[in-house]
Amino acid sequence: RKEVEQDPGPFNVPEGATVAFNCTYSNSASQSFFWYRQDCRKEPKLLMSVYSSGNEDGRFTAQLNRASQYISLLIRDSKLSDSATYLCVVNIQDMRFGAGTRLTVKP
Amino acid sequence: DVKVTQSSRYLVKRTGEKVFLECVQDMDHENMFWYRQDPGLGLRLIYFSYDVKMKEKGDIPEGYSVSREKKERFSLILESASTNQTSMYLCASSTIRQFFGNQPQHFGDGTRLSIL
Repeated sequence: RKEVEQDPGPFNVPEGATVAFNCTYSNSASQSFFWYRQDCRKEPKLLMSVYSSGNEDGRFTAQLNRASQYISLLIRDSKLSDSATYLCVVNIQDMRFGAGTRLTVKP
Repeated sequence: DVKVTQSSRYLVKRTGEKVFLECVQDMDHENMFWYRQDPGLGLRLIYFSYDVKMKEKGDIPEGYSVSREKKERFSLILESASTNQTSMYLCASSTIRQFFGNQPQHFGDGTRLSIL
């Protein structure tokens, strides 16, 4: 079983839609969690950290469920510029990346 | 802002050549990492380093070595390049905060390496 698993997608949604990505991790000792965004042929960039109580940054909401070893990212009111691959990252002793979920937002 | 600089965006080498990929960060970060990224496989950790002269194997170290002589510089070396090492190589750095542990990684622009 992979340490970090994501639905690879692709997710194709219209502008304005709400879309949710899920990520599961296998190591219960995982300490911290992040979502990264990667545009085509570019490097991954930190989107947001994920806190135990859940956190929100504008249209983006991240949640963590330690009991189920599950992280989610919700994007509301999708924009064309949200089109990217979203990587779930889990920190144990080092960062473990999911393979990413590809999102395409269409007009 | 953290700046992680990789020496080349695109590189073409021949099978059997020794290849050096250089990475420099300007934020005095303790941790540095080398990944490769291939379609459908995501980011795979090759080597990482938590301090000068320290190195640890990641998930796929075979065929690679690293060097960290100075804190700001982490070099990846392909001892004898092979075609299956054609990939996107990403360098990253991060720091450690007391009580909070490893902080998020910051990535360089990546090097697209082609081995012919």
